[in-house]
Amino acid sequence: SQTIHQWPATLVQPVGSPLSLECTVEGTSNPNLYWYRQAAGRGLQLLFYSVGIGQISSEVPQNLSASRPQDRQFILSSKKLLLSDSGFYLCAWSVPIAVSTDTQYFGPGTRLTVL
Amino acid sequence: KNQVEQSPQSLIILEGKNCTLQCNYTVSPFSNLRWYKQDTGRGPVSLTIMTFSENTKSNGRYTATLDADTKQSSLHITASQLSDSASYICVVSAGAGSYQLTFGKGTKLSVIP
Repeated sequence: SQTIHQWPATLVQPVGSPLSLECTVEGTSNPNLYWYRQAAGRGLQLLFYSVGIGQISSEVPQNLSASRPQDRQFILSSKKLLLSDSGFYLCAWSVPIAVSTDTQYFGPGTRLTVL
Repeated sequence: KNQVEQSPQSLIILEGKNCTLQCNYTVSPFSNLRWYKQDTGRGPVSLTIMTFSENTKSNGRYTATLDADTKQSSLHITASQLSDSASYICVVSAGAGSYQLTFGKGTKLSVIP
């Protein structure tokens, strides 16, 4: 069966510090991978998605970046965090075939607080 | 602009009662609609998914309906349990590719004894 891991679970960082959040998926090959942010009182916002190693698409311009160094590893980074980067970050995966009924499976999330 | 609106924003019901959550969308072209359940501090978990041709889909005590003409969906929860307390998120796909999703802000349901 497939599982998705995220770490850390919670993180408190000062403004201006760097960020690295990691997501890994087990039990599937060449998944589509996604990073979302969920701010308080708002819906999920897609930040990045990837359909393969080294292939990253950005949905929202910001000071965050994503990388996919391995097939089942997705990393969210920032060189300098802003207060507005606080939120709940979710990684998700879906089957690589783009059919209309495929489902995204979400990880447990990382709660980031920027002070 | 594609949008998904959910109502009510929050809801409190007694254990054992039924409830219905609403979702209205303006997403085009429409591919499918999903309902997710998100426990506090956890990632969302898929409950149902419906395509254009499906009017209703059930998953245990959860029943989702879809009216593609009026662009409305509802999620009905029968005989609520304390474990149903969560946020329920309506998600609409606008194309053949699961990354083209529009998320609602969710309805926060609290089931009290």
